[in-house]
Amino acid sequence: AQSVTQPDIHITVSEGASLELRCNYSYGATPYLFWYVQSPGQGLQLLLKYFSGDTLVQGIKGFEAEFKRSQSSFNLRKPSVHWSDAAEYFCAVGASNFGNEKLTFGTGTRLTIIP
Amino acid sequence: DAMVIQNPRYQVTQFGKPVTLSCSQTLNHNVMYWYQQKSSQAPKLLFHYYDKDFNNEADTPDNFQSRRPNTSFCFLDIRSPGLGDAAMYLCATSEGALGVWTDTQYFGPGTRLTVL
Repeated sequence: AQSVTQPDIHITVSEGASLELRCNYSYGATPYLFWYVQSPGQGLQLLLKYFSGDTLVQGIKGFEAEFKRSQSSFNLRKPSVHWSDAAEYFCAVGASNFGNEKLTFGTGTRLTIIP
Repeated sequence: DAMVIQNPRYQVTQFGKPVTLSCSQTLNHNVMYWYQQKSSQAPKLLFHYYDKDFNNEADTPDNFQSRRPNTSFCFLDIRSPGLGDAAMYLCATSEGALGVWTDTQYFGPGTRLTVL
């Protein structure tokens, strides 16, 4: 079975600083990888996803992520964070069977932005 | 424009009193999912429908049931809520394209359930 590890439970970053959120996955085949963001009291919104091709993926809100097979990682980055980026970020890996039903989430990283 | 709508946003029920949570979608997606998310935890898949085909996760308690009367609506029934069932319940949808694993899941805002 697949699994996802997000080693950082909580990260605090100054507004305007760069950001990297770590994600490591375990899956025997080619993974389908996602980053979702959840604002307080809200549902999840897709930031970006990787299935194949270019290992550097661009997403919404200025985020990007890089798939590194050798490191089993899919870290999320943003060059300059804004106060509105404060939220919970979830990395997820999907099983490559039929449909999208086997989406396994990491435990999330809470991002706090300080002025 | 809301695409995945959940009602109510907040639900308070008493221990053991049945409760139903509602989800509707305007995306005409084939797949609908229910997740349970407890505080500071990852969403946990309870079950999903592909069209009318129901798929229950092995560790989903029998206390949780679901109905999907049509493409647009899906309901989560908790037959006898316990204190441990207090959580955010998230509904999501995806296209469910046959044979192609590229579907994004679109989430609703969630229903926060409190059990007294």
